[in-house]
Amino acid sequence: GAGVSQSPSNKVTEKGKDVELRCDPISGHTALYWYRQSLGQGLEFLIYFQGNSAPDKSGLPSDRFSAERTGGSVSTLTIQRTQQEDSAVYLCASSHNTGSRDTQYFGPGTRLTVL
Amino acid sequence: GQQVMQIPQYQHVQEGEDFTTYCNSSTTLSNIQWYKQRPGGHPVFLIQLVKSGEVKKQKRLTFQFGEAKKNSSLHITATQTTDVGTYFCAGTTSGTYKYIFGTGTRLKVLA
Repeated sequence: GAGVSQSPSNKVTEKGKDVELRCDPISGHTALYWYRQSLGQGLEFLIYFQGNSAPDKSGLPSDRFSAERTGGSVSTLTIQRTQQEDSAVYLCASSHNTGSRDTQYFGPGTRLTVL
Repeated sequence: GQQVMQIPQYQHVQEGEDFTTYCNSSTTLSNIQWYKQRPGGHPVFLIQLVKSGEVKKQKRLTFQFGEAKKNSSLHITATQTTDVGTYFCAGTTSGTYKYIFGTGTRLKVLA
C-alpha cells in the first residue's frame, strides 16, 4: 500500500512568514511522529500523536511551533514567524499501534529553507 | 535530559572490511531500534531489540543490546558499496513513546 506522504517536498519562505507542513500517515496507523533533521545532523523529536490521547509536545522547540492531527489521520505542523534557524528537513513517521514497540515508517520529508 | 551518543561519527572503510557503530544512552532503555538513511533519503527501519543481552542477525548485519540496556552496537561484516549511508539508533525509556535518536554514524565504503 501507499507509504507515508508529506507535502510540500520543498518550501522556501521568507523570515517572519508562517508555514504549514502536511503529513499523510499510512492508513490504519494510530501513532504519528514529527522530527526535525538539520543538515548532517541526527533526528530531533518534536511531537507524538497516539490515537485520541493528548499529544506529547515535549520536543517542540518554541511556542512558534504547533501541530494538529485531525480525525486521527492527517497531521499539520505549523511554524509561525519562521526564523533562519528553522531551516531543516521535517520528517513525519507513522506506526501501527503503540509507538514504543513498532516500526516507524518515515515519509520523504519536507525541506524547509527560511531566507 | 536523556542523551544517545553514537561513535564513531564518520567511518570510511574499504569494500570488504568490517564496520561497527556503537550507541550509548545516558539512561536505561526500554527498547532500541536501528535505522539506515541513504544520502538524500529518509530513515528506514532495520531492526528492534527489546531484551537485555539480545543479539539479532540480518545477513551481514549483527545487532546487540547490552546487558544493562544502555548500549547497543551494529556490526557489518564484509561491507559493500550498498551499505553506504548513515546509521542511527533510537531508543525509548519505560513509560514513554518518545524516541530519542542517536547522533548517527556516517559510513562511506570505498570500492
